[in-house]
Amino acid sequence: GAVVSQHPSWVICKSGTSVKIECRSLDFQATTMFWYRQFPKQSLMLMATSNEGSKATYEQGVEKDKFLINHASLTLSTLTVTSAHPEDSSFYICSARDQGGEKLFFGSGTQLSVL
Amino acid sequence: GENVEQHPSTLSVQEGDSAVIKCTYSDSASNYFPWYKQELGKRPQLIIDIRSNVGEKKDQRIAVTLNKTAKHFSLHITETQPEDSAVYFCAALTGGGNKLTFGTGTQLKVEL
Repeated sequence: GAVVSQHPSWVICKSGTSVKIECRSLDFQATTMFWYRQFPKQSLMLMATSNEGSKATYEQGVEKDKFLINHASLTLSTLTVTSAHPEDSSFYICSARDQGGEKLFFGSGTQLSVL
Repeated sequence: GENVEQHPSTLSVQEGDSAVIKCTYSDSASNYFPWYKQELGKRPQLIIDIRSNVGEKKDQRIAVTLNKTAKHFSLHITETQPEDSAVYFCAALTGGGNKLTFGTGTQLKVEL
């Protein structure tokens, strides 16, 4: 299957700082990438859909000014958690579909801990 | 929007027994239904999927059935092994084929 790389795998930061997470499709081009958040023992909740060359589409209840998404190329999308607070601590996972496909491939996830 | 319900939330079976996880969805336009296995702290791994024009699909010990009329689909794992222990998520592709909505997950524990 297709490979999606995500970095960093874990990050600890102080409250008020910003954290950037990168998601790369390594062997295919992804016009669309998805960002999910997963709290302990819960399901994956879609935060936003990242579209190459255009603005991201955010799900209801997700603050677009707090979770900045940039999809500047067909292989890279970034999620920046701005002014992070302890309640933002979570497992963030990106995913991508290869062009024309249905299968969704996931990155390895980023465990964010905000102190 | 789409709503995917999944049952049970936890499932404990003896090694060698079968495990069945069931999901229902609300959007009749959904046409693709994958199942993912997620181990603690790791990424979800696609284990099997089914499209709406098929009623059943099997891959070795894993099978998925789909009833479009009733809008439910199920995952069947036969001859369970300890390494099958994980959280399993069902999902449905909706939103014009662009949004994957996940079920709430099932913690499967296979006991020796």
